Amino acid sequence: GIQVEQSPPDLILQEGANSTLRCNFSDSVNNLQWFHQNPWGQLINLFYIPSGTKQNGRLSATTVATERYSLLYISSSQTTDSGVYFCAVGYSGGGADGLTFGKGTHLIIQP
Amino acid sequence: DGGITQSPKYLFRKEGQNVTLSCEQNLNHDAMYWYRQDPGQGLRLIYYSQIVNDFQKGDIAEGYSVSREKKESFPLTVTSAQKNPTAFYLCASNSGGYNEQFFGPGTRLTVL
Repeated sequence: GIQVEQSPPDLILQEGANSTLRCNFSDSVNNLQWFHQNPWGQLINLFYIPSGTKQNGRLSATTVATERYSLLYISSSQTTDSGVYFCAVGYSGGGADGLTFGKGTHLIIQP
Repeated sequence: DGGITQSPKYLFRKEGQNVTLSCEQNLNHDAMYWYRQDPGQGLRLIYYSQIVNDFQKGDIAEGYSVSREKKESFPLTVTSAQKNPTAFYLCASNSGGYNEQFFGPGTRLTVL
């Protein structure tokens, strides 16, 4: 099946810093989503971005499908940005629908 | 208020018992999904359903069963055959295919 690798696995930053999270995937994808999992476990949709670039406030994302990677940018970090960020992909090669998730990047923003 | 609800939020089960987790959506979505999350890991697909009265196994279906009798409901039964059932279970839905998926708040199952 498809492999989804996220880096770095852990990231500790001071409030106000910028960060870049990376997601590499091993096959062509039909869907790519970025999520933020809050401390209560809720998955919050950040971006649906199988290709191209999108921005939403302090967050932006870019997917380069031909090179099989996606980047999530967080600018001017706030303590509320802390949590786990997941990249997940949907692809037609596996024979099953649904998303394949990476293991996540655990982000801690210190005041 | 449109969304996906899961109940209960926390569930405790004795070994050897079956338990059913509820998932309901009022988004008029055709497709629904069940995922499992273990500590420090990403989510893995258990079962999914693209239409009523039809469902397919995902990557880790052994020890689980589902039904899809109504468009808005997709309950998951964790059977006694599931060897390691303690986990966080999340339900999702979308309008089908590779469209954006949305998740419910999850159920934490602990087997005592």
